[in-house]
Amino acid sequence: GQQLNQSPQSMFIQEGEDVSMNCTSSSIFNTWLWYKQDPGEGPVLLIALYKAGELTSNGRLTAQFGITRKDSFLNISASIPSDVGIYFCAGQLGSNYQLIWGAGTKLIIKP
Amino acid sequence: EADIYQTPRYLVIGTGKKITLECSQTMGHDKMYWYQQDPGMELHLIHYSYGVNSTEKGDLSSESTVSRIRTEHFPLTLESARPSHTSQYLCASSFPDSQGGYTFGSGTRLTVV
Repeated sequence: GQQLNQSPQSMFIQEGEDVSMNCTSSSIFNTWLWYKQDPGEGPVLLIALYKAGELTSNGRLTAQFGITRKDSFLNISASIPSDVGIYFCAGQLGSNYQLIWGAGTKLIIKP
Repeated sequence: EADIYQTPRYLVIGTGKKITLECSQTMGHDKMYWYQQDPGMELHLIHYSYGVNSTEKGDLSSESTVSRIRTEHFPLTLESARPSHTSQYLCASSFPDSQGGYTFGSGTRLTVV
């Protein structure tokens, strides 16, 4: 079936550093979503993107819908300890399609 | 504040037992989903529903079954639990066109001993 390639798989960063992660696909999507999952909880929607080239921010988080519609990026600026968790991207081919999920990027902040 | 509720949060049961994981949402969403997720790993869709009396199997083969008799309720049943069923089960819901993405419950952490 359809797949999203999400990278990196995990990141070890210092508090205060900026973080970048991305998702790519061989298919064209009309929606990209970014979720964060804390341990023991369900994923929570961070940012939704609906147009190619769209750049959307949510506090220190910024996500972009790639121009080719085959990729998306999430940046976190000035990371803090509560940013720890797993970040998932999800894409949708069309309104009648289910979401396709990336494998997640685990963010770990070094003490 | 959660608008989709899963119970129980944690469950430890013996092999061979029948269990039902509950999921209810108050958002009027037509679509509902069940995902299976091992800790820190990717999400695997095991069942979904487009509305009342609609149920479909997902990408990952599962020995569980689901029912959708009411819009707000989408329970998942394991007739005979096995240790291989140990995992986290996440319920989610969405509007028909999935605008705004899926809303997830907090999950049920199932351990079969």
